[in-house]
Amino acid sequence: DVKVTQSSRYLVKRTGEKVFLECVQDMDHENMFWYRQDPGLGLRLIYFSYDVKMKEKGDIPEGYSVSREKKERFSLILESASTNQTSMYLCASSLQTGSSFEKLFFGSGTQLSVL
Amino acid sequence: SQQGEEDPQALSIQEGENATMNCSYKTSINNLQWYRQNSGRGLVHLILIRSNEREKHSGRLRVTLDTSKKSSSLLITASRAADTASYFCATANSSASKIIFGSGTRLSIRP
Repeated sequence: DVKVTQSSRYLVKRTGEKVFLECVQDMDHENMFWYRQDPGLGLRLIYFSYDVKMKEKGDIPEGYSVSREKKERFSLILESASTNQTSMYLCASSLQTGSSFEKLFFGSGTQLSVL
Repeated sequence: SQQGEEDPQALSIQEGENATMNCSYKTSINNLQWYRQNSGRGLVHLILIRSNEREKHSGRLRVTLDTSKKSSSLLITASRAADTASYFCATANSSASKIIFGSGTRLSIRP
């Protein structure tokens, strides 16, 4: 069964801390994504990666960076956490077929609270 | 910016009734996908319809796509309590640069 695993279900951090959110997929997918989800705003794309060491900014990359050193792992980094980064973070992966994205497989999400 | 917008934002129906949710989008797409999210969990893929398809079925789900109106609808027939969830449409744009989600429809099924 396909699986996308996010390292933490709940996380509480202090303002100014460096935060790492880890995501691992076991499906050999080329594409991996990080979204944040806030009430009333739906899912907003932070960053995505279409290959190892490749990354593209999404709609809200400010305050975030990413790392993809291995195909199966995509990390989201909050360099200096702020309270407005309190949110649900969702990782996803997908195959790429030609020029089209196929369906996304999501992890269970990490609820991050920054105090 | 949001590509897909779902309508209505919230829907409450009686168990056994049909539920219809709509999605509108702005730019050309390769495909449109519908996802379900149970409270506090990740999203689960339901169905994908390509830009050259007009209708697709999967079990109790029926999806239509009208590319001339840039809209899609998701119909859930004979609803069950377990269908209570949020439903999102997502579009993969023609330049294949990203997949963008709408803000979702919250569906509640009353027993």
